[in-house]
Amino acid sequence: EIVLTQSPDTLSLSPGERATLSCRASQSVSSNYLAWYQQKPGQAPRLLLYGTSNRATGIPDRFSGSGSGTDFTLTISRLEPEDFAVYYCQQYGRSLWTFGQGTKVEIK
Amino acid sequence: QLQLQESGPGLVKPSETLSLTCTVSGGPISSHTYYWGWIRQPPGKGLEWIASINYSGTTYYNPSLKSRVTISVDRSKNHFSLNVTSVTAADTAVYYCARHMAAAMSGWGQGTMVSVSS
Repeated sequence: EIVLTQSPDTLSLSPGERATLSCRASQSVSSNYLAWYQQKPGQAPRLLLYGTSNRATGIPDRFSGSGSGTDFTLTISRLEPEDFAVYYCQQYGRSLWTFGQGTKVEIK
Repeated sequence: QLQLQESGPGLVKPSETLSLTCTVSGGPISSHTYYWGWIRQPPGKGLEWIASINYSGTTYYNPSLKSRVTISVDRSKNHFSLNVTSVTAADTAVYYCARHMAAAMSGWGQGTMVSVSS
């Protein structure tokens, strides 16, 4: 089973700043099968990116993704007030889906 | 527009079986394109994938839960279900159902809170 480790656990930033979130896998992950989600309190997760770097429908272009192998990154170019939330990476491999533990982006 | 709605008991006693149903509207559950899955989130914690099923009925389980979990589909009712046996307090969580592909989970229900307590 592939374990995903996200860092940092919490990121304290101000609106307008750039956020860089990391997701590291215990084994190589196909870039086709690495996704990112945003979750706000009391809400279901929302798909942001799939296939490492493809934005889901309606996701603004300030969200971008990159990476390959075992290291993947979600970047939010300029934080908007609505971007403060928890972010999860997720992978699919060998008929299993796993999530990272999440990174909370909070207002500094 | 796709909608998924979880339903089930909000409270289950320890050692009993938790049964949840996800009703799908806005599209057929028999689509060859998608998987149908369950994900849970204990209070204050992260997301855990539980199980998924595809159009042909092939099932996929989280190894850590496989011995206690069953996922099934009822195409006539356009819904799919989850059973978790021998529940403990550790099974207390918000349970989400989702429509997904291998690459990502794009459609989620709103979630249903299940507490395990006597």
